[in-house]
Amino acid sequence: AQKITQTQPGMFVQEKEAVTLDCTYDTSDQSYGLFWYKQPSSGEMIFLIYQGSYDEQNATEGRYSLNFQKARKSANLVISASQLGDSAMYFCAMRTLYNQGGKLIFGQGTELSVKP
Amino acid sequence: GAVVSQHPSRVICKSGTSVKIECRSLDFQATTMFWYRQFPKQSLMLMATSNEGSKATYEQGVEKDKFLINHASLTLSTLTVTSAHPEDSSFYICSASPTGARGEQYFGPGTRLTVT
Repeated sequence: AQKITQTQPGMFVQEKEAVTLDCTYDTSDQSYGLFWYKQPSSGEMIFLIYQGSYDEQNATEGRYSLNFQKARKSANLVISASQLGDSAMYFCAMRTLYNQGGKLIFGQGTELSVKP
Repeated sequence: GAVVSQHPSRVICKSGTSVKIECRSLDFQATTMFWYRQFPKQSLMLMATSNEGSKATYEQGVEKDKFLINHASLTLSTLTVTSAHPEDSSFYICSASPTGARGEQYFGPGTRLTVT
């Protein structure tokens, strides 16, 4: 069964500091993609970063990086130099190419609060 | 690029009436679109996968006669909530994946439905 687990319902971080949001996944597929989305209070889902299962290097997008540890099946999101605007819900998601019809499977989400 | 619009953003309707929500990919073609439902402080729940030119695939437990999905073109999918009841009140979000992409989904801004 495909599953995404985010064990941190809520996280706090001081402005300008780095924060790591945890995500573990479970799949028997060899080919899959991992995604992180941000959802501010407005409700829109914003795509942040993508990591393919065959990518050898960790993905980075500006202040976002994905700490991909394939053997441990973890795909943690690291946000550097946190800003007040980073306060939002963050969802980890997985898409497998051969199962689930290409659907995205979401974790439960982590609510990040950035303190000034 | 990769913008998805959703209309309306908010709708209030009376119990027993039907409501149509539109999802459009503005600058790309999407063979597949997805419809999600989200309750406050919870993750996204996939309702159905919408395929252009064919019938939608509904997730287990989702009533296909209540949530009618039509994917009329490569840029438009609609969700109609028929005979709406207060328990259908929720945040509905659509997403679309560009054809040939690595699988990332781009989300619409969502529609908040309130049934009175």
